[in-house]
Amino acid sequence: KQEVTQIPAALSVPEGENLVLNCSFTDSAIYNLQWFRQDPGKGLTSLLLIQSSQREQTSGRLNASLDKSSGRSTLYIAASQPGDSATYLCAVDLPRDDKIIFGKGTRLHILP
Amino acid sequence: GAVVSQHPSWVICKSGTSVKIECRSLDFQATTMFWYRQFPKQSLMLMATSNEGSKATYEQGVEKDKFLINHASLTLSTLTVTSAHPEDSSFYICSARDRGTSANEQYFGPGTRLTVT
Repeated sequence: KQEVTQIPAALSVPEGENLVLNCSFTDSAIYNLQWFRQDPGKGLTSLLLIQSSQREQTSGRLNASLDKSSGRSTLYIAASQPGDSATYLCAVDLPRDDKIIFGKGTRLHILP
Repeated sequence: GAVVSQHPSWVICKSGTSVKIECRSLDFQATTMFWYRQFPKQSLMLMATSNEGSKATYEQGVEKDKFLINHASLTLSTLTVTSAHPEDSSFYICSARDRGTSANEQYFGPGTRLTVT
């Protein structure tokens, strides 16, 4: 059974710092991996999607990497800003089961 | 990009009544839609997979008679919470898979907040 783990569960850092969020999954047979942002009381915003054949994707200050063989992905946020404060969710798409499994998220707080 | 809408965005109902939530794919056809539930400060949990023209597949522990899912067209799936109780209060999010793209990506709706009093 696929399990998705995100570390840390919560993180507070001063504005301007670079930071890394971690995601691990137990079964490497994934179709793709996606990082989402969720603001309190709101829906999901897709940040980056990495297909299984890719190793990384970049969008602005965000960079996500994927190491399928080791079951790991990282989300790198450069020059963090208070507006980056949110919960970040990692999710893996399973071709066998046609479903997405989410991690529990990392609650990020950027201190002004 | 592909857009998925949900209606209503929030709803308050009395205990014992039923509530219907709609999920629509606005610019693509979705043979498969998914319903998730999210309790406060928790992650999204898949409730069921909805296939157009066939019965939904429910995850373990989700009561199919309580959470009725209908996927009557390629752009619309509905979730009806029957005989709602306060413990059903949650954030319900749907997603739709666009099989017309190489990424086979799922697109998520904005969610519906249900409060049962």
